[in-house]
This record gives sequence, C-alpha cells and structure tokens, in this order.
Amino acid sequence: DTGVSQDPRHKITKRGQNVTFRCDPISEHNRLYWYRQTLGQGPEFLTYFQNEAQLEKSRLLSDRFSAERPKGSFSTLEIQRTEQGDSAMYLCASSPGGGTGVPGNTIYFGEGSWLTVV
Amino acid sequence: AQSVTQLGSHVSVSEGALVLLRCNYSSSVPPYLFWYVQYPNQGLQLLLKYTSAATLVKGINGFEAEFKKSETSFHLTKPSAHMSDAAEYFCAVSGGTSYGKLTFGQGTILTVHP
Repeated sequence: DTGVSQDPRHKITKRGQNVTFRCDPISEHNRLYWYRQTLGQGPEFLTYFQNEAQLEKSRLLSDRFSAERPKGSFSTLEIQRTEQGDSAMYLCASSPGGGTGVPGNTIYFGEGSWLTVV
Repeated sequence: AQSVTQLGSHVSVSEGALVLLRCNYSSSVPPYLFWYVQYPNQGLQLLLKYTSAATLVKGINGFEAEFKKSETSFHLTKPSAHMSDAAEYFCAVSGGTSYGKLTFGQGTILTVHP
C-alpha cells in the first residue's frame, strides 16, 4: 500500500494557461475523489468517480474544470484558462467502493497539489 | 444537506494540558462523523470516525471523540497535549444523499506551547 500519490506537488502558472494534475489512488480502491482547499478553509468537494464513471460533480466545478478517470485507475484534473481564484490546493482521495457510506470504509487523502496562478 | 461547524478557528494549549476541539453537525439523517488532522503542506490523515456503533470513539495518537446526538456534537479531546499535536484539525460529516463523501468544517488550528 503506497498511499494516494499526486503530481505535481506544486505548480505555478500564469493566468490563462491550462494545468493538469494527476492522482494515483490506492491500487485496490475503486472510488476516487477530488477536493479543493483554500487557505483557512476546509476541503470542498469537487467530484468523485466510481471506477471510470464520474458519479457526481459539485457546482464548484465550473466548465473550465474537467476530471477524467479513463481506465478506472489514475485520474487527471485539468483546469483550462486558469484564473487567480483557482489558486488552491487540490486534494485527491480514494476509498473502497461506497466510500463512507460503508461503515468500515475510510477515505484516504494524498498530500495535495498546490496551484498558484500569477 | 449536511454541514459542520467547528467552534474556534484557533485553540492554544500548554504541553500536558487537555485538548478540546469542538464540532457541531447538522444532518437530517443519522450521520457518520470524522476527525482528520493536517500537518503543514500535507494531506489529511484520519484520526477517528463514528459510524453508529459506540458513541465514544478512540483514535490514533491518544485522541478520542464522543458522539452526542442530543447536542449534535462530536468534540475531539486528548487528555494531555504534546508538541507534536500542533496541526490543523478538521471535523467532517457524511450522510443522507451525501453518503460516500465528506463535508468538512472550516478547521481548527491547534497550537501547543512548551
């Protein structure tokens, strides 16, 4: 069990550029989540996948954001035409199927990808 | 919809003193409740969780929390603070239509003084 890994850990980009983050979940986990966390705030839910299917998207996920999990393993989160308000830490997490709806399950988080838009 | 309120964005204690971090939840269905800890520039680590079994839940690093339905609370405690406990702590809820994902509070930064 190598944990949830995210890449890159830090990204500085100019406003208007596109950025992509990658997440590799714990290998046996079929549920994958993306959260966003800004300074002084708790993580906010963006979206989640069950295998390759994207089952829910938050209203926070504007049309500039797209997440994929093409083979039900790793996932990517792309932000197009970045804005300064996109500066945040993007957290990926994974869990066994059913997430916290199954009492024995735990959602495990990666270390996050920091995005700074200048 | 579920929500969590953490009372006190900053808590400061002396080493060896009691740690009490407050969390109140709102949920229209029986909730599952969680406490996570976040060290600087790191992700979140689960401390403990309540999933409708025992109301007093013990977690890692000597932390525990008690689910009180009548008070809609899930406060986190530790009898004796250690310097290594300094971090940010998040309470989270899962339930109803949001079973399977977490809704977090704003977080409480714990400072431990020598």
